[in-house]
Amino acid sequence: QKEVEQDPGPLSVPEGAIVSLNCTYSNSAFQYFMWYRQYSRKGPELLMYTYSSGNKEDGRFTAQVDKSSKYISLFIRDSQPSDSATYLCAMKENDYKLSFGAGTTVTVRA
Amino acid sequence: DGGITQSPKYLFRKEGQNVTLSCEQNLNHDAMYWYRQDPGQGLRLIYYSQIVNDFQKGDIAEGYSVSREKKESFPLTVTSAQKNPTAFYLCASMSLQGTQYFGPGTRLLVL
Repeated sequence: QKEVEQDPGPLSVPEGAIVSLNCTYSNSAFQYFMWYRQYSRKGPELLMYTYSSGNKEDGRFTAQVDKSSKYISLFIRDSQPSDSATYLCAMKENDYKLSFGAGTTVTVRA
Repeated sequence: DGGITQSPKYLFRKEGQNVTLSCEQNLNHDAMYWYRQDPGQGLRLIYYSQIVNDFQKGDIAEGYSVSREKKESFPLTVTSAQKNPTAFYLCASMSLQGTQYFGPGTRLLVL
């Protein structure tokens, strides 16, 4: 079993819809949770960074962490074609190593 | 502009050849990382370095080597022992707050 599980999709939604992405994990020691966006043939860019359980909002993006269920989510409101990308979840303990999900490919149709 | 640069963007390797991928950062970060990304797979850690002149193997270090002689630089050598080197290679550095920032990547292809 992988340490971090992420549905690879692909996920296709119409413009303006809410995109819902999620990851589950098995290591209860994870404390820091991140979401990255990666456009084709580019390096990942950090979207959201959260610590422990709770919600964090940044513009159209909301990250949720539920440590009791070992489950994290990313919601994208009012999705745009420019949101079409692969989204990677990542998490870590209080150390130097990150564990990544496989990524979910999202297409927002105009 | 602060950031991470990787070169070259594309690299071709002949059988039996060693090739070196460059990674430079001007973010003043101590920790640097090399990942390999294959289609449909997540990022897999090759090597990481927390400080100059020190580095540790990641999950898939076999067939790769690194050096960390300067804080700004963390080159990766793909040796002839790596039998399946075709992949997208990503370099990253980590801030004191624990966030990782990535370079634009190098795509390695085998001739």
